[in-house]
Amino acid sequence: NAGVTQTPKFRVLKTGQSMTLLCAQDMNHEYMYWYRQDPGMGLRLIHYSVGEGTTAKGEVPDGYNVSRLKKQNFLLGLESAAPSQTSVYFCASSYYTGNTIYFGEGSWLTVV
Amino acid sequence: KNEVEQSPQNLTAQEGEFITINCSYSVGISALHWLQQHPGGGIVSLFMLSSGKKKHGRLIATINIQEKHSSLHITASHPRDSAVYICAVPHYGGSQGNLIFGKGTKLSVKP
Repeated sequence: NAGVTQTPKFRVLKTGQSMTLLCAQDMNHEYMYWYRQDPGMGLRLIHYSVGEGTTAKGEVPDGYNVSRLKKQNFLLGLESAAPSQTSVYFCASSYYTGNTIYFGEGSWLTVV
Repeated sequence: KNEVEQSPQNLTAQEGEFITINCSYSVGISALHWLQQHPGGGIVSLFMLSSGKKKHGRLIATINIQEKHSSLHITASHPRDSAVYICAVPHYGGSQGNLIFGKGTKLSVKP
């Protein structure tokens, strides 16, 4: 049982480049989330999805886009990377809100 | 919107000590999460509780809904308990909705 899987685990980007982070879950969860974690700050919600084909903005959505074409996958895109987007990104999923939340292992992104 | 405060920010203990980590929040909730983040970065859910107390092995989580406060206790601490412990509550209170996370308590247990 893989749980929540994120790829890639590490990436270095140049300013202005684009990339996509992939999150996959095999627990048939409805809700999926993308967070970023920065030193001295709690996890902050970027975007989330309450089901296949739906997405919504979280606390810090600027500079990111997401898609959930399949229930098991949630993609996070950076269209034009900026140094301020250097962070650790976590994907998570839960059956519904109010249920246990499961996290991926994180993706370390550096923008130079 | 809820605000979450954890204390202490950092905690160093000797192996075997009893550990307490505190979490306070500002808007009434009926579900609170405790998470553990390992030094390698992975985050796992330890507890989700809405009242009273839950126990799993050497970990005990308590919550006082009226006082808007929760504690995580570790009995007979061990170096493998070294991690960051994070509490999270629904952003707008209640039991549903997206979570807001505390900044975490970094625990280091020395042998």
